Amino acid sequence: GESVGLHLPTLSVQEGDNSIINCAYSNSASDYFIWYKQESGKGPQFIIDIRSNMDKRQGQRVTVLLNKTVKHLSLQIAATQPGDSAVYFCAEKHSGYALNFGKGTSLLVTP
Amino acid sequence: GAVVSQHPSRVICKSGTSVKIECRSLDFQATTMFWYRQFPKQSLMLMATSNEGSKATYEQGVEKDKFLINHASLTLSTLTVTSAHPEDSSFYICSARAGTGHYGYTFGSGTRLTVV
Repeated sequence: GESVGLHLPTLSVQEGDNSIINCAYSNSASDYFIWYKQESGKGPQFIIDIRSNMDKRQGQRVTVLLNKTVKHLSLQIAATQPGDSAVYFCAEKHSGYALNFGKGTSLLVTP
Repeated sequence: GAVVSQHPSRVICKSGTSVKIECRSLDFQATTMFWYRQFPKQSLMLMATSNEGSKATYEQGVEKDKFLINHASLTLSTLTVTSAHPEDSSFYICSARAGTGHYGYTFGSGTRLTVV
């Protein structure tokens, strides 16, 4: 079936550098996307969202880019900090309003 | 902001017993709640969608008689894992939806179930 997937399972960056986490989706009917951060043993924490009628949205230190032509979503984290170390998931709105989650990328920030 | 409380945070049970997990929306009414299961180093997999006052909709491959879902009020949904086996050991997460936008998807803190 159609699914949301990620290009990179792990990403290691140095503190202060920018991080880019990618996500590919296959459901062209998806109209809403969310990036979540999940720390070990906890539930997902909202980072930023974007609707399909937009191609870019910025938050505090984070930017989400949406390329509908190639069905690609990315999360950019500026000046990555140790506290950013976690697993990041993209999610798309599924039929019936449930969210369909991608595989996840583990981000490790090294000093 | 919207808060979802999930209990217990972790539970250990013996094989063959049943375990109930509660998901409560504390400051909003959740017409729809979702239950996910997450195995180690894997993504969240949707198990079922729970609508207040009606039967839950289960995803393909999820046994409805094993994972009983009850959404009797607008603030409470429960997931009961019946006759639990070691392979049911997982991290169970609920999510509640009240409106639109990201505030419509509030997640609980998860329940770590270990079946011994």
